[in-house]
Amino acid sequence: DSGVTQTPKHLITATGQRVTLRCSPRSGDLSVYWYQQSLDQGLQFLIQYYNGEERAKGNILERFSAQQFPDLHSELNLSSLELGDSALYFCASSARAASTDTQYFGPGTRLTVL
Amino acid sequence: GNSVTQMEGPVTLSEEAFLTINCTYTATGYPSLFWYVQYPGEGLQLLLKATKADDKGSNKGFEATYRKETTSFHLEKGSVQVSDSAVYFCALSDLPGGGSYIPTFGRGTSLIVHP
Repeated sequence: DSGVTQTPKHLITATGQRVTLRCSPRSGDLSVYWYQQSLDQGLQFLIQYYNGEERAKGNILERFSAQQFPDLHSELNLSSLELGDSALYFCASSARAASTDTQYFGPGTRLTVL
Repeated sequence: GNSVTQMEGPVTLSEEAFLTINCTYTATGYPSLFWYVQYPGEGLQLLLKATKADDKGSNKGFEATYRKETTSFHLEKGSVQVSDSAVYFCALSDLPGGGSYIPTFGRGTSLIVHP
């Protein structure tokens, strides 16, 4: 158990809809990262938050947005969903935002868009 | 941009065989290098890491050495077990000049170990 929790575990929805994925980092960790894992694209870094502020941006679509709240939990919002958004979405946390930091991954949310 | 290239899988071995999974990288800065492992149905977990040239990361019998001259971080284990069957990801974290460390992961290499 990494100490990172993600909800829900599974999500099935239709094209055009909007969903919210939730992540609670390990106790004491200030950084939260979001990733998308799919068979064709592999593991893609989406976005990072550090202590409530956006820190780094990767391959995140404009239809996707995220935020980190004062209690350090984070939410990833996916809107106008397309079939191609079906994937595993992982959240990870680390103590700080340093390059040497180990990231601790949650179990993931599997999103299926029908 | 940054990139990580891993050998294609699956890698299939018999128990007690020697394992090598190749990883090479391209980075603009001076990255930290990681190997993560993903067991079926789980998230990734850190296996080992190295933060500067010639550093050797090791854990659970796995080793990898940070080779700046060849931009490589190959994963090795002398004697694999069935329980090592998983997907292995090579990753780097680099400061590309924008003030933030961007993590980049390889595509992953599936390892299957037979009894």
